[in-house]
Amino acid sequence: GQNIDQPTEMTATEGAIVQINCTYQTSGFNGLFWYQQHAGEAPTFLSYNVLDGLEEKGRFSSFLSRSKGYSYLLLKELQMKDSASYLCAVRGGGGYQKVTFGIGTKLQVIP
Amino acid sequence: DSGVTQTPKHLITATGQRVTLRCSPRSGDLSVYWYQQSLDQGLQFLIQYYNGEERAKGNILERFSAQQFPDLHSELNLSSLELGDSALYFCASSAQKAGGVYNTQYFGPGTRLTVL
Repeated sequence: GQNIDQPTEMTATEGAIVQINCTYQTSGFNGLFWYQQHAGEAPTFLSYNVLDGLEEKGRFSSFLSRSKGYSYLLLKELQMKDSASYLCAVRGGGGYQKVTFGIGTKLQVIP
Repeated sequence: DSGVTQTPKHLITATGQRVTLRCSPRSGDLSVYWYQQSLDQGLQFLIQYYNGEERAKGNILERFSAQQFPDLHSELNLSSLELGDSALYFCASSAQKAGGVYNTQYFGPGTRLTVL
């Protein structure tokens, strides 16, 4: 099976940097996704990591360590509109490679 | 806009009733996924279809069923509705890469179902 852990809530200040951690245990691994979801809206794709290291995309970066079963999403220069839930999702192994979503981290950006 | 469309946006119905949710995937995507998201809950995978065939099943109740049609749109049927079925229902689509690996899932805007 697959198990994904991430903090349920975080608060950070506008203009600051925040790191959202995700740890996972899976039977096989074929990539990790980060999605942003505003309340009542659809998740939107942010990043995908399949190899170890850092992927940078504008203000957002995502890091993966496969040996540690660990990833983080780094948000820089926080803006009020970044207040949302951030979902970590892992694609497992096997013939189907099912994607399992974590419960999400609700980030509140305060002035 | 992800390119995935879902109808209706909102649905209010009574316990015991049956409803149908509709999803059209992004142009060219053959895979469709259905998810349920209850208040303050994570995304729960229900079922996946690929090019008209059921590919995988998650935590889908027997009262729920789905299908994918030749034009690739999909419908999720929910019957004998209970209060606990009130949730956001999302559809997502993805392309399939070489070797059977599925690409990133792109989500539709969701259907908010309220069962009274």
